[in-house]
Amino acid sequence: AQSVSQHNHHVILSEAASLELGCNYSYGGTVNLFWYVQYPGQHLQLLLKYFSGDPLVKGIKGFEAEFIKSKFSFNLRKPSVQWSDTAEYFCAVNPNSGYALNFGKGTSLLVTP
Amino acid sequence: KAGVTQTPRYLIKTRGQQVTLSCSPISGHRSVSWYQQTPGQGLQFLFEYFSETQRNKGNFPGRFSGRQFSNSRSEMNVSTLELGDSALYLCASSLGRDHEAFFGQGTRLTVV
Repeated sequence: AQSVSQHNHHVILSEAASLELGCNYSYGGTVNLFWYVQYPGQHLQLLLKYFSGDPLVKGIKGFEAEFIKSKFSFNLRKPSVQWSDTAEYFCAVNPNSGYALNFGKGTSLLVTP
Repeated sequence: KAGVTQTPRYLIKTRGQQVTLSCSPISGHRSVSWYQQTPGQGLQFLFEYFSETQRNKGNFPGRFSGRQFSNSRSEMNVSTLELGDSALYLCASSLGRDHEAFFGQGTRLTVV
């Protein structure tokens, strides 16, 4: 079945540590890729997106992601996390053949001071 | 500009009842999608509307339905509520498929 997989369900980091969250998908053809973040008590917000072009995408708050087509991956990175990055992170894929966003199960990130 | 607005924010219903949730998209957005978020299943796609037409439907029973009005506002309805329908229901709007989706705060539905 077509799916989106996020490798880490819970991640705990100290402030200033580097972050990498994995995301793999199993859809063929061209896809639009997204990372969304859900801060406690807030709505889902877009961190970054990839539609085409440079596979290294920069988003808000110092986040970036790299699309590796051959690996069907779209990993999220941040060189130095802050306490305020504590949130749930969702990878989402929109196959160009459809109209739905297909989400991974999410990664809960806790950043400790 | 105003974001996606969902009403009500919280609902408590009894098994067997029906419920209608409302979503007002960002002005100018003609695509509205609905998602169900639960701790066990995560975010699951329900359906998507564009210019009053349902273009795609997720794998949910027929008890879940929706519609979109000419002003792009959308409603979703769940009939014969079951305990398992307790979830956060999210609405998202966008300009179209190749544009990002903006999400509302959601409606927290509790079925007792």
